[in-house]
Amino acid sequence: GAGVSQSPRYKVAKRGQDVALRCDPISGHVSLFWYQQALGQGPEFLTYFQNEAQLDKSGLPSDRFFAERPEGSVSTLKIQRTQQEDSAVYLCASSLSTGSNEQFFGPGTRLTVL
Amino acid sequence: ELKVEQNPLFLSMQEGKNYTIYCNYSTTSDRLYWYRQDPGKSLESLFVLLSNGAVKQEGRLMASLDTKARLSTLHITAAVHDLSATYFCAVDTWGGGADGLTFGKGTHLIIQP
Repeated sequence: GAGVSQSPRYKVAKRGQDVALRCDPISGHVSLFWYQQALGQGPEFLTYFQNEAQLDKSGLPSDRFFAERPEGSVSTLKIQRTQQEDSAVYLCASSLSTGSNEQFFGPGTRLTVL
Repeated sequence: ELKVEQNPLFLSMQEGKNYTIYCNYSTTSDRLYWYRQDPGKSLESLFVLLSNGAVKQEGRLMASLDTKARLSTLHITAAVHDLSATYFCAVDTWGGGADGLTFGKGTHLIIQP
């Protein structure tokens, strides 16, 4: 079956622009996660949804970052007034949310802010 | 603050050799995850370790978990070039259930012929 998909795969933005990154989780997966991965580093947690409820947004670096999952499936991560330090790969993951919390990752969106 | 530390961070080894990657963590979590990442690619789940003493093996890779020592190991047996990648360990940030994972910095593994 289909895995986690993300779009766009690459995004170049000028500083100050707003961007929206999309994630389609594996069908039937209740939990959805967003991570930020800087070059040469491990992923860092941003936020987490269970169905449409955003249960943890403690990792969002500033109020310029906003995520939503209005119908409990597709999620969008929005970054307002992008800064150069926002340049990273943004990874989305989903899990069944039962038992092991094994998370399955999408291919990521590489964001470059000029 | 939860810390997950891997060592070594870089490892260059020859084909046919054995080696171990270590993952220490600072929480009391009894679950640990290993992922593989190839350059420019996303993360692939390798192992899910759910209890103290858990051991899982897949091909030339074997992972184990000692929750009392807060230590997991990823052992590579008779390495082959195809295993070259970056390996990450991760733990549940808040200790269980469905929550975000805290990752180590990764071990960049190069296996040379």
